[in-house]
Amino acid sequence: QQQVKQSPQSLIVQKGGIPIINCAYENTAFDYFPWYQQFPGKGPALLIAIRPDVSEKKEGRFTISFNKSAKQFSLHIMDSQPGDSATYFCAARGPNSGGSNYKLTFGKGTLLTVNP
Amino acid sequence: DSGVTQTPKHLITATGQRVTLRCSPRSGDLSVYWYQQSLDQGLQFLIQYYNGEERAKGNILERFSAQQFPDLHSELNLSSLELGDSALYFCASSNLPGGEDTQYFGPGTRLTVL
Repeated sequence: QQQVKQSPQSLIVQKGGIPIINCAYENTAFDYFPWYQQFPGKGPALLIAIRPDVSEKKEGRFTISFNKSAKQFSLHIMDSQPGDSATYFCAARGPNSGGSNYKLTFGKGTLLTVNP
Repeated sequence: DSGVTQTPKHLITATGQRVTLRCSPRSGDLSVYWYQQSLDQGLQFLIQYYNGEERAKGNILERFSAQQFPDLHSELNLSSLELGDSALYFCASSNLPGGEDTQYFGPGTRLTVL
């Protein structure tokens, strides 16, 4: 119930391509879906996030598409650049068991390589 | 730069030993979260502290413990270390107690248990 399944594990695209990373979840109590970007040697950094009452959110070249009925969401990177090469994690926020807190459940990550 | 600092950057130790990882949150943040990142398990939430008090627990082993001090820095103590504890350990900070706001991650501590 708390899992977030992310695919693919790795992805290679050419500069200018549109990589798409997909995530799926089961827990309908999740109420916030952030994407994190992580460069080697750095911690994850929030990239973009969406709430389930919205089907799409765009920030610059990054777009999240959200399908509430299918319990799926995806990240699209338009006009990808070599500098976008990083690991991308989807996450979902839901209640932590036994308390009033929320916790983030992360997907296992997608290593994106954008070739020049 | 997220404003969250972690020390040390790398730590190499032997099985059975005990280590302490340190985290300083962003200025003004009262919540500190600890995560473990490994290749097979991904990023796993361990524990959260808010203003010195334990707030939420995740997949934290009994051999691991944490605390948050009055100056709001936090330490994660790992004892009786096993090979499988080798991982990246991240701390994150946020302002609110309930985990409902954005978490900012530090650069991590890479722990290698030999």
